[in-house]
Amino acid sequence: AQSVAQPEDQVNVAEGNPLTVKCTYSVSGNPYLFWYVQYPNRGLQFLLKYITGDNLVKGSYGFEAEFNKSQTSFHLKKPSALVSDSALYFCAVRDISGNTGKLIFGQGTTLQVKP
Amino acid sequence: DAGVIQSPRHEVTEMGQEVTLRCKPISGHDYLFWYRQTMMRGLELLIYFNNNVPIDDSGMPEDRFSAKMPNASFSTLKIQPSEPRDSAVYFCASSLEEGIEAFFGQGTRLTVV
Repeated sequence: AQSVAQPEDQVNVAEGNPLTVKCTYSVSGNPYLFWYVQYPNRGLQFLLKYITGDNLVKGSYGFEAEFNKSQTSFHLKKPSALVSDSALYFCAVRDISGNTGKLIFGQGTTLQVKP
Repeated sequence: DAGVIQSPRHEVTEMGQEVTLRCKPISGHDYLFWYRQTMMRGLELLIYFNNNVPIDDSGMPEDRFSAKMPNASFSTLKIQPSEPRDSAVYFCASSLEEGIEAFFGQGTRLTVV
């Protein structure tokens, strides 16, 4: 079965500090992995994706994520957090081996960046 | 392109009434997804279509929920009869291919009283 887990409901960091939002996944085949951000009363916005190639993926707003196949993880990172990064973050996975295109999201992690 | 367009943005209805949510995907996108977001359950995939054909509706909670995609540019999600526990934000999203990110609409906030 295809699934995504975000083990932390909330992550708190101080502005200027590095941040990490964790994500692990489970698929039967090879995954396509995505991170999205949601600001209050808005739809989800795409941040970055891993399809193939380099395990370190760079995306919008200075975010990056590292794909780790052995740990089945795809953690979101940023070297220096901004207050404006405070939002709800979702990890998502598509299982390409089954050729179904199904896109599943984790429960979301609230990131709170304090000045 | 204007992105994924959902209507209405807000809907308040009485229990027992029929509710229809509408979605216009981005032109040319092959996949269309309907999600429901609540505080308790997070973001749930209800159903998705590929080339207008429903592929997986295992997330549809009950027979009261139905979704259609009569053509490539329009989809509906219908709840009949509606219940208070259906209150949520419903999102529609579309994507071009499996490896391409999905684009989300602004959502429809449904309140059933």
